[in-house]
Amino acid sequence: QVQLVQSGTEVKKPGASMKVSCKASGYIFTGYSMHWVRQAPGQGLEWMGWINAKSGVTNYVPKFQGRVTMTRDTSITTVYMELSGLRSDDTAMYYCARDDRLGLLDSWGQGTLITVSS
Amino acid sequence: EIVLTQSPATLSLSPGERATLSCRANQSVDTYLNWYQQKPGQAPSLLLYDASRRATGIPARFSGRGSGTDFTLTISSLEPEDFAVYYCQQRSNWPLTFGGGTKVEIK
Repeated sequence: QVQLVQSGTEVKKPGASMKVSCKASGYIFTGYSMHWVRQAPGQGLEWMGWINAKSGVTNYVPKFQGRVTMTRDTSITTVYMELSGLRSDDTAMYYCARDDRLGLLDSWGQGTLITVSS
Repeated sequence: EIVLTQSPATLSLSPGERATLSCRANQSVDTYLNWYQQKPGQAPSLLLYDASRRATGIPARFSGRGSGTDFTLTISSLEPEDFAVYYCQQRSNWPLTFGGGTKVEIK
């Protein structure tokens, strides 16, 4: 079965960077793209962008352009999302989610809580 | 970007009752509209895709309809495990966008 296992909770200082990993298993890694979605405490879902796991091509929401970098390592079937210049409003749960067909998020990781605080 | 508006924000119902959730887009998304369920402390999970198709393992009490700008998710008879937050999401245009969510709570 499809499994997406994310890295653990982190606390970061304002201005720092964070890098979340998402280890995929149970399917052909390069056959599917991966999305990143975040959810601030008590808020709704916000799409950040996605990465084609085969080609490495990315597509980011303009809001995060310049601060976000999505990469993948096909040898260990893992996708990464790095966000720099962290601010307090970046405090959120960050999810990876597999793309089944151009924007259909059919399997989700368990989430990684990132807290940005001085 | 396409804005999705969900209503109501909160729905207070009893087990066994019928739930009707609405999602409205500010421009047509054809039928490229998905629904997700999120229980407290859990990640969202796919419920329905392309407006009306149930995801694998989703019971028949969940149904969806609509096209263009107006969509409905119906839960025919609420089970205790259905009390959760429901989000709609469009994949018609980039960027992907989500509605603000409807919380279905126990009355």
